[in-house]
Amino acid sequence: IVLTQSPATLSLSPGERATLSCRASESISSRSLAWFQQKPGQAPRLLIHSASSRVTGIPDRFSAFGSGTDFTLTISGLEPDDFAVYFCQHYTNSLVYTFGPGTRLEI
Amino acid sequence: EVQLVQSGAEMKKPGESLKISCKGSGYNFNNNWIGWVRQVPGKGLEWMGIIYPDDSDTRYSPSFEGQVTISADKSIGTAYLQWSTLKDSDSAMYFCGSQVDVGFFDHWGQGTLVTV
Repeated sequence: IVLTQSPATLSLSPGERATLSCRASESISSRSLAWFQQKPGQAPRLLIHSASSRVTGIPDRFSAFGSGTDFTLTISGLEPDDFAVYFCQHYTNSLVYTFGPGTRLEI
Repeated sequence: EVQLVQSGAEMKKPGESLKISCKGSGYNFNNNWIGWVRQVPGKGLEWMGIIYPDDSDTRYSPSFEGQVTISADKSIGTAYLQWSTLKDSDSAMYFCGSQVDVGFFDHWGQGTLVTV
């Protein structure tokens, strides 16, 4: 299964709403889809698992939904700290994981 | 507090071997999957594989199977990523991650930069 993310780069201003897309090449279980945030020089951080469940400590301005082949991460009221690269990830029944190529969210 | 502490940066020559480490603490190391992700500077994340330390069950990405070896020593709570013959293309940052609360890497090491 191949994950495609769009757009590759998203340019927005603080306070705006970001909508990031992750599309799978075939239908996947929602349970197997996660979103990560990565800032320069840092390890990735898990934001969302099971397509829509926020990890403890992640602000509620981050929300996600989706099913089948189409998944979306939404960040409402962008704050300066939110500008980063976002990756979706999927795992198979045999526990082999794949990342999408990422969306760069820039000011 | 869950912590993953990785070994330091390495500079090696093509053809040499290398083993980098990731020591976990603050959680049940033996019974949580732990694994590795590669990131070439300026590029995306590549999932390499994971290991379940208790029984050494290991899963690899097809892209990395046969190219690296993932292992773990549960007696000291440490996971390893090993190369027998390094290539220039192995130059990258390598992150370890553990699946403690959910089935994804929810805790991460600080990264180990490998330069070949």
